[in-house]
Amino acid sequence: GESVGLHLPTLSVQEGDNSIINCAYSNSASDYFIWYKQESGKGPQFIIDIRSNMDKRQGQRVTVLLNKTVKHLSLQIAATQPGDSAVYFCAEKRGGNQFYFGTGTSLTVIP
Amino acid sequence: GAVVSQHPSRVICKSGTSVKIECRSLDFQATTMFWYRQFPKQSLMLMATSNEGSKATYEQGVEKDKFLINHASLTLSTLTVTSAHPEDSSFYICSALRTSGRFNEQYFGPGTRLTVT
Repeated sequence: GESVGLHLPTLSVQEGDNSIINCAYSNSASDYFIWYKQESGKGPQFIIDIRSNMDKRQGQRVTVLLNKTVKHLSLQIAATQPGDSAVYFCAEKRGGNQFYFGTGTSLTVIP
Repeated sequence: GAVVSQHPSRVICKSGTSVKIECRSLDFQATTMFWYRQFPKQSLMLMATSNEGSKATYEQGVEKDKFLINHASLTLSTLTVTSAHPEDSSFYICSALRTSGRFNEQYFGPGTRLTVT
């Protein structure tokens, strides 16, 4: 497997604040990236994606930024809500259809 | 959105026995499915790519004789953990690839919690 077996970093934010979650990916040939949200005991849920020919993509309350120079991806969540509390993973696609997940970040929203 | 189911959601088995986990795409056909495992507070690790009508492709370090994958139809892939041991206890998640025009989208199942005693 390609995922790193490290324990999850954590991020705590106050409700209503903006959250920024970062991800470093490993392969410069990766051409497609997805951010997933995973709640406890459930499968990952698609949030937003971005292709390597873009550097920014916006969705509803979420923005993904891609910096290919330093192989860095970020997820920005605006006006964070308690329902946003979850673990967030970035995943990169390298060539074929396989996706490899990053370490993940556990987000806790404080009411 | 597309729906992928897994069965069972939880299973407890004794050491040395085998366990089969099913992954179904309910409203689309999937020639490709993926199997992941996830340890507590860790990331998803891709185990193998399941291809309908052909052999699965395993990631480096994953024992193919230990984790048997069968993708017998366009809507069903199964993962069998053979001769399970406590260290195989984990959260197993499948996903199915849906081809839509130029792009492929991956839909995840809800996961199966395996506990080996």
